[in-house]
Amino acid sequence: AQKITQTQPGMFVQEKEAVTLDCTYDTSDPSYGLFWYKQPSSGEMIFLIYQGSYDQQNATEGRYSLNFQKARKSANLVISASQLGDSAMYFCAMREQQAGTALIFGKGTTLSVSS
Amino acid sequence: DAGVTQSPTHLIKTRGQQVTLRCSPKSGHDTVSWYQQALGQGPQFIFQYYEEEERQRGNFPDRFSGHQFPNYSSELNVNALLLGDSALYLCASSLFPTLSGDSPLHFGNGTRLTVT
Repeated sequence: AQKITQTQPGMFVQEKEAVTLDCTYDTSDPSYGLFWYKQPSSGEMIFLIYQGSYDQQNATEGRYSLNFQKARKSANLVISASQLGDSAMYFCAMREQQAGTALIFGKGTTLSVSS
Repeated sequence: DAGVTQSPTHLIKTRGQQVTLRCSPKSGHDTVSWYQQALGQGPQFIFQYYEEEERQRGNFPDRFSGHQFPNYSSELNVNALLLGDSALYLCASSLFPTLSGDSPLHFGNGTRLTVT
């Protein structure tokens, strides 16, 4: 079974609009961390935001927020006020404490922002 | 403050050859992980090095090996290259994760390996 599922291969949004990128995960480990990374065409993976399984509040980092719904096992990324520079591939990833330190990535969602 | 640096940026090799990829971690980081990213896919974990030892390994054959040096830099070696080894190889550095906190990975720009 897929550990990280990103069901949207591509998303299209206009500048200044908000967009939500979906991510669901599967784990039986009570202690885990969820990450979102952005990968522009240059290839570098850029860390955006982190949510721990025991965190009570949703994580926020500037224009990025993580909509963490633990019972549903979802960790959607919300980007507010999209910018042209947000066009990139976005990956959701998980680290399970029992599994060690490896990150498990989803297949990603391509976000295209138009003017 | 230099981030994670990888070399070379691009590499073309022939089937059966061997390749070495290099990585310098972000200043202050002591742990290096390597990931393989095939075209159109998410990265897959190869292995992680901490204190010059392989601490964890993903589902990759023994043809993939690595090393970490006292200055925390790392090498990834791939022997007997196959066409399927063509991918973007990403190095990531962090502080070694502890029970008290998680440390996000900081990635380099990657090495694009093409096997012909």
